[in-house]
Amino acid sequence: AQSVTQLDSQVPVFEEAPVELRCNYSSSVSVYLFWYVQYPNQGLQLLLKYLSGSTLVESINGFEAEFNKSQTSFHLRKPSVHISDTAEYFCAVTGQLSFGAGTTVTVRA
Amino acid sequence: EAGVTQFPSHSVIEKGQTVTLRCDPISGHDNLYWYRRVMGKEIKFLLHFVKESKQDESGMPNNRFLAERTGGTYSTLKVQPAELEDSGVYFCASSQGYGYNSPLHFGNGTRLTVT
Repeated sequence: AQSVTQLDSQVPVFEEAPVELRCNYSSSVSVYLFWYVQYPNQGLQLLLKYLSGSTLVESINGFEAEFNKSQTSFHLRKPSVHISDTAEYFCAVTGQLSFGAGTTVTVRA
Repeated sequence: EAGVTQFPSHSVIEKGQTVTLRCDPISGHDNLYWYRRVMGKEIKFLLHFVKESKQDESGMPNNRFLAERTGGTYSTLKVQPAELEDSGVYFCASSQGYGYNSPLHFGNGTRLTVT
C-alpha cells in the first residue's frame, strides 16, 4: 500500500520569497513521485515527476523537488515565488496515484 | 486539442436523490479515471476504465456508486441514493497509455453538495 503525507495545509508567502512544500510518502515498492498543481477554477496539472535517475527534478516554471529515499521525502521548492504561483499543490505516488491532502500556497505582494 | 471536460461543474442535491456526473476524456485516450476529494482531504482514487472495461474499481466506496463507460468514450458516475458524506469534488482524468510515463490529464472537477 502507498500513502502520501503533506505536512502543511496552508503556506502563506510573500512575493519573491522562497517556499518549500513538504511531502513524505510510504510505499512497499519502488516509487514514482509527482507534484501536481491546481490553479483556481482549473483541473490538476502535472508540475514535475521523479521516475529514476537524478534525484533532483525541475519544472519549467522554476520549481524543483528532490527525491530522498532515506527520508522518504519529495519536498517541493521554489527560490522566488510569484503571485501567479498561488495555487493548491498535491504530492502523489504511483500506482493508482495516491495523493496527499494538498498544500495551499498563497503568495502576497 | 480539447481537454478533459466534466459536467456539471456544480451540483446541489438533497439526501436521497440521484445525481449523474459526466466526463468526456481527451479523444483517443483509452484510460479514464475517477477520483474524489472530500472536505479538503486527500484526492482518492475511485476507479479506472480501459476503454469500456473496468480495470480497477477498488476505490469505489459502496454500491450506491455506479460508473459506466459505454462505447469506451465518455463516462458517467451515478450516485443513488446520495448521502451527506458523498459531498466533495469529483475529478475525472484520462491518459493515452497506462503507467507512470503516461501523464494524467484532469478535468476541472464537479463539486457535489448533498444537503
